[in-house]
Amino acid sequence: NAGVTQTPKFRILKIGQSMTLQCTQDMNHNYMYWYRQDPGMGLKLIYYSVGAGITDKGEVPNGYNVSRSTTEDFPLRLELAAPSQTSVYFCASSYSPETGGNGYTFGSGTRLTVV
Amino acid sequence: AQTVTQSQPEMSVQEAETVTLSCTYDTSENNYYLFWYKQPPSRQMILVIRQEAYKQQNATENRFSVNFQKAAKSFSLKISDSQLGDTAMYFCAFMKPGANSKLTFGKGITLSVRP
Repeated sequence: NAGVTQTPKFRILKIGQSMTLQCTQDMNHNYMYWYRQDPGMGLKLIYYSVGAGITDKGEVPNGYNVSRSTTEDFPLRLELAAPSQTSVYFCASSYSPETGGNGYTFGSGTRLTVV
Repeated sequence: AQTVTQSQPEMSVQEAETVTLSCTYDTSENNYYLFWYKQPPSRQMILVIRQEAYKQQNATENRFSVNFQKAAKSFSLKISDSQLGDTAMYFCAFMKPGANSKLTFGKGITLSVRP
């Protein structure tokens, strides 16, 4: 029972570099999400997807891109990394939230530092 | 838009005692879901308890219970018989049912359990 798997767990990037944060889930969840967590700020939604081929912006999408080619995978792409993107990133998934569901299943997070 | 407010940034409690964490929210919806998530130092997000707004009965999960006051838009978490393993950050979250709905988080509260 892997749940939601995120890689890498830690990464240091230089300003201007690019990288992809990987997220995969094996629960056949339609819905997937990317959040970032900054100290004292809670979790902010970056992007989400309601199914393969469908993505939409969340609260803080600038500087990021996503794709959803399969139900299982939802990678987050950072282009031209900036110090403001230093954060902890969480991927999550859920069944359809139309009934409220049971909340989300979260990955273990990626701590990203941009220097 | 929904907002979730956790006004206490941190709290401390003696082992075996009871502690209550506060949360208020703002919404015009009548039907919605509320959650408490725990984030220990391992960084993993763990669902502690959930409450459906249409249920008057307060949710309970072992040592964890909520005081849900719908009219006051208040959703506090009570932890009884606090244990050292309860030391963590706790997030209150809101979600309305329906397509494209997302979890909205409060800023979190850091709880320390003293031996």
